[in-house]
Amino acid sequence: EVQLVESGGGLVQPGGSLRLSCAASGFNFKSYWMGWVRQAPGKGLEWVGNIKQDGSEKYYLDSVKGRFTISRDNAKNSLFLQVSTLRVEDTAVYYCARVEDSGSSEYWGQGTLVTVSS
Amino acid sequence: QSALTQPPSVSAAPGQKVTISCSGSSSDIGNNYVAWYQQLPGASPKLLIYQNNKRPSGIPDRFSGSKSGTSGTLAITGLQTGDEADYYCGTWDNSLSTYVFGTGTKVTVL
Repeated sequence: EVQLVESGGGLVQPGGSLRLSCAASGFNFKSYWMGWVRQAPGKGLEWVGNIKQDGSEKYYLDSVKGRFTISRDNAKNSLFLQVSTLRVEDTAVYYCARVEDSGSSEYWGQGTLVTVSS
Repeated sequence: QSALTQPPSVSAAPGQKVTISCSGSSSDIGNNYVAWYQQLPGASPKLLIYQNNKRPSGIPDRFSGSKSGTSGTLAITGLQTGDEADYYCGTWDNSLSTYVFGTGTKVTVL
């Protein structure tokens, strides 16, 4: 059974940082692109970024470029999102998702909430 | 990065049919596959349709997708109360090298 479990969210002040993690199991992690999607309270889905199987390619939402970094550890079946210089508007539930060949995502985690507030 | 355009809400009685449109451009829907997601209240998104019109295992055939030009459409037939949810389309944008979601549509069963 494919499972994705996020962790690392919490309350942080504007300008602060967090490292979100996603533990993957039930599939060959190193064979898939992985991605992060966020959802602000009461708002729609917003793609944050993707990372290639070997980490050699990464793509980001314009508004997070230079502040967020996606990485992965294939030996530990883990995906990470380092979020820095956080803004109030970054407050959201952050989901990790497996990216299929078609570009869509069939498997999602339960999400981890990041709240940016003073 | 602009979101794909969806109607804010659609509604119909149980057993009826609803369709949800998703409008994009040549750089996104026009040259890429469309996917559709269902998000029940308080839950993670669930993939309903991929590659324009394919259903993952376990998704009932009441859900169908299509694409024409720069627009995609999700149809739900035999509407059930359990279908009340938010629905999002999604696709890749070649010009920006980003994935883009639609603005979301709330389905209400009357």
